[in-house]
Amino acid sequence: DAMVIQNPRYQVTQFGKPVTLSCSQTLNHNVMYWYQQKSSQAPKLLFHYYDKDFNNEADTPDNFQSRRPNTSFCFLDIRSPGLGDAAMYLCATSRDWPGSQETQYFGPGTRLLVL
Amino acid sequence: AQKITQTQPGMFVQEKEAVTLDCTYDTSDQSYGLFWYKQPSSGEMIFLIYQGSYDEQNATEGRYSLNFQKARKSANLVISASQLGDSAMYFCAMREGTSGGSYIPTFGRGTSLIVHP
Repeated sequence: DAMVIQNPRYQVTQFGKPVTLSCSQTLNHNVMYWYQQKSSQAPKLLFHYYDKDFNNEADTPDNFQSRRPNTSFCFLDIRSPGLGDAAMYLCATSRDWPGSQETQYFGPGTRLLVL
Repeated sequence: AQKITQTQPGMFVQEKEAVTLDCTYDTSDQSYGLFWYKQPSSGEMIFLIYQGSYDEQNATEGRYSLNFQKARKSANLVISASQLGDSAMYFCAMREGTSGGSYIPTFGRGTSLIVHP
């Protein structure tokens, strides 16, 4: 029944050790988003894929990369995590076209802890 | 300027009472959509309700209703008969949507709602 799945739910990594978070969807939506959310703050968009087109937010650090090998899967790679990267990472999907007003569907999130 | 403003960082309500969470927005588009999401402590963002800018009636979904005042650019969420499980963060979001415009939603900073017995 799950529509947007994120694995793992909790991830502990060491300072500087690369980590990959994964997201998959069963909705066949064309857009997938990655958000970073720190405690008591709004989600901050890192980047999104519109179909295969990658769109990076201007203030997303180079340390964050993403891959979307197919419609269903999207990965967030953090090349050298710092203590400031500890956060909740939310994946979302939507069915979009110019002017659409469809809602986003969110996964349960991955909480990243950097030691 | 912020596109979505939620002025209440925290709200308290007694169980079974109604509560209104405020949201104002700023856009020059004629066509846009407004959304409310609930985020419990577990972290998942749950879609609650949607209001389109051309919808003449206020949206309702069960105990949730959206008090849409277009001239004032406000889209307040009303939760009737609050339950303990309603304790969560609530985010207001907007998508501006004319053809060629950005479809990326903008989120407010959220309101923390605590329902006490």
